[in-house]
Amino acid sequence: GAVVSQHPSWVICKSGTSVKIECRSLDFQATTMFWYRQFPKQSLMLMATSNEGSKATYEQGVEKDKFLINHASLTLSTLTVTSAHPEDSSFYICSASSGGTEAFFGQGTRLTVV
Amino acid sequence: LAKTTQPISMDSYEGQEVNITCSHNNIATNDYITWYQQFPSQGPRFIIQGYKTKVTNEVASLFIPADRKSSTLSLPRVSLSDTAVYYCLVVGDSGYSTLTFGKGTMLLVSP
Repeated sequence: GAVVSQHPSWVICKSGTSVKIECRSLDFQATTMFWYRQFPKQSLMLMATSNEGSKATYEQGVEKDKFLINHASLTLSTLTVTSAHPEDSSFYICSASSGGTEAFFGQGTRLTVV
Repeated sequence: LAKTTQPISMDSYEGQEVNITCSHNNIATNDYITWYQQFPSQGPRFIIQGYKTKVTNEVASLFIPADRKSSTLSLPRVSLSDTAVYYCLVVGDSGYSTLTFGKGTMLLVSP
């Protein structure tokens, strides 16, 4: 299957700082990328969907000014958690699709805000 | 969006066949059924996808009845390493306009 690389795998940051997470499709062009957040023992919660060159579509309840998503190319999307606080600590996962019926996931990023 | 319903958890023993059923009563004509596996602190991994009847690959089989309102993921001869959460998703073939996960099924395989 296609490979999606997510970086970093884990990050610890101080409260009030911003953190950027990268999601790259290594061997295919990702016309659509998805960002999820997952809390312990819970399912993946879709945060936003982004199409290359367009503004991301955020799910209800997700603050677009806090979770900045950029999908500037067909192989890269970034999620920036701005002014992070301890409640933003979670497991963030990206997924990429070339427009077909399959989507491929990154390995996830464990964010801890202290 | 077609909502999916799966058992919250299942238990099995090594070497047994495990069947996980997913209900998707309002599946649309152009929807495909996809199953993912997730281990703790990892992203989901694609297992299998199907539209109707039966699909088989090297790790699993997917059975879909004619009405497509449910599907069953079959894992032959499970091992301890198959302990994971399994998610059933229904997705339209126009692309992943949305990709929403349900609660999934936690499969625990014991020795």
